[in-house]
Amino acid sequence: KAGVTQTPRYLIKTRGQQVTLSCSPISGHRSVSWYQQTPGQGLQFLFEYFSETQRNKGNFPGRFSGRQFSNSRSEMNVSTLELGDSALYLCASSLSRDHEQYFGPGTRLTVT
Amino acid sequence: AQKVTQVQTEISVVEKEDVTLDCVYETRDTTYYLFWYKQPPSGELVFLIRRNSFDEQNEISGRYSWNFQKSTSSFNFTITASQVVDSAVYFCALSERTGGGNKLTFGTGTQLKVEL
Repeated sequence: KAGVTQTPRYLIKTRGQQVTLSCSPISGHRSVSWYQQTPGQGLQFLFEYFSETQRNKGNFPGRFSGRQFSNSRSEMNVSTLELGDSALYLCASSLSRDHEQYFGPGTRLTVT
Repeated sequence: AQKVTQVQTEISVVEKEDVTLDCVYETRDTTYYLFWYKQPPSGELVFLIRRNSFDEQNEISGRYSWNFQKSTSSFNFTITASQVVDSAVYFCALSERTGGGNKLTFGTGTQLKVEL
């Protein structure tokens, strides 16, 4: 069974631009969560989607948004990029909230 | 609010030594899950174990073992006879059951270096 895939793996953007990251969960997994990892703040929860509905949201500004499609694939969008948005963005999928999350390789975003 | 503390920022051991990574958590929930993940230099978080708050039984998987003690809110991870391939950052995480969702709260991680 294929694991969680994320595209692109690396991205360089300029301050003020917007970016869209994509995540394909493990087949059959309906829950997709997004996390941001930075050296200063560590791993922080962004949001979770289940059956196309946002079920939980972390403490991030409205510039961070996401969505989930009917095939469980998910995208997250960051608008008006700031230097502090440079991070590794990790996507995770699970069967449900009662199951463990499996993570993808991440998208490393650099904002210049 | 839930919180996970990993006191050890970095641990260095020589191969074949045993090493224990400590994890202490805080939660108001009576039902929750605890996890350990490994993050090698490649960056991908690798799932190691999940423990339900009602199951305090210790678990052993090969060279890995976990000690869950609800009385001290701890979920420690021991690697027996460590190997160089064990070098990675290890994260302890907590997920509360109430409120729905699948949010993981992570500790700050412990960098384990295993040297020859």
